[in-house]
Amino acid sequence: EVQLVESGGGLVQPGGSLRLSCAASGFAFGSNLMTWVRQAPGKGLEWVANINPDGSDKYYADSVKGRFTISRDNANSFLSLQMNSLRDEDTALYYCLGGTYGQYWGQGTLVTVSS
Amino acid sequence: QAVVTQEPSLTVSPGGTVTLTCGSSAGAVTNDHWPYWFQQKPGQAPWTLIHDATNKHSWTPARFSGSLLGGKAALTLSGAQPEDEAEYYCLLSFPGARRTWVFGGGTKLTVL
Repeated sequence: EVQLVESGGGLVQPGGSLRLSCAASGFAFGSNLMTWVRQAPGKGLEWVANINPDGSDKYYADSVKGRFTISRDNANSFLSLQMNSLRDEDTALYYCLGGTYGQYWGQGTLVTVSS
Repeated sequence: QAVVTQEPSLTVSPGGTVTLTCGSSAGAVTNDHWPYWFQQKPGQAPWTLIHDATNKHSWTPARFSGSLLGGKAALTLSGAQPEDEAEYYCLLSFPGARRTWVFGGGTKLTVL
């Protein structure tokens, strides 16, 4: 059974940092592009970042570039998102997404940025 | 960054047919944009219906189909069921040295 389980969300003050993790199992994690997607409360989906299978290429949405860093540990099938300089507008449910054709979604972890 | 546009809302009768579209401010949508379609119901994570414009996953009901139509990506639902009422999002990948993905704003589909 394929599973993507996100963790690390929580309440953080503006300007603070959080590190999200996504534990993957049941598919060839190390062979797949992995992605973070977020959804602000009551809003649509927003792409955040991609990382290629070996971790050598990373792409970011303009809204997070320079503040967020995506990384992966293929040995342990983990995807991470280091989020620094958090803003109110980063408040969202963060999903990890992967698979050969982007077919596997986690259930999300909630990040709330508020003072 | 390109803007991806979808109809904000559509209504279809049970058993009817409806087509949702996905356009790009950067020009015609092609296979190079790797169009994806996702379905999301309230309180649930999204799930992937279509990848690379026309390809279904094993769990995608046969009544859904994807295509390229008139410079846009399209998702056609033939024989709508009440359980198809949901938000539908398209996703396009924009090629170049800095490949980026952009979601459309979503289409709220009502089956009524």
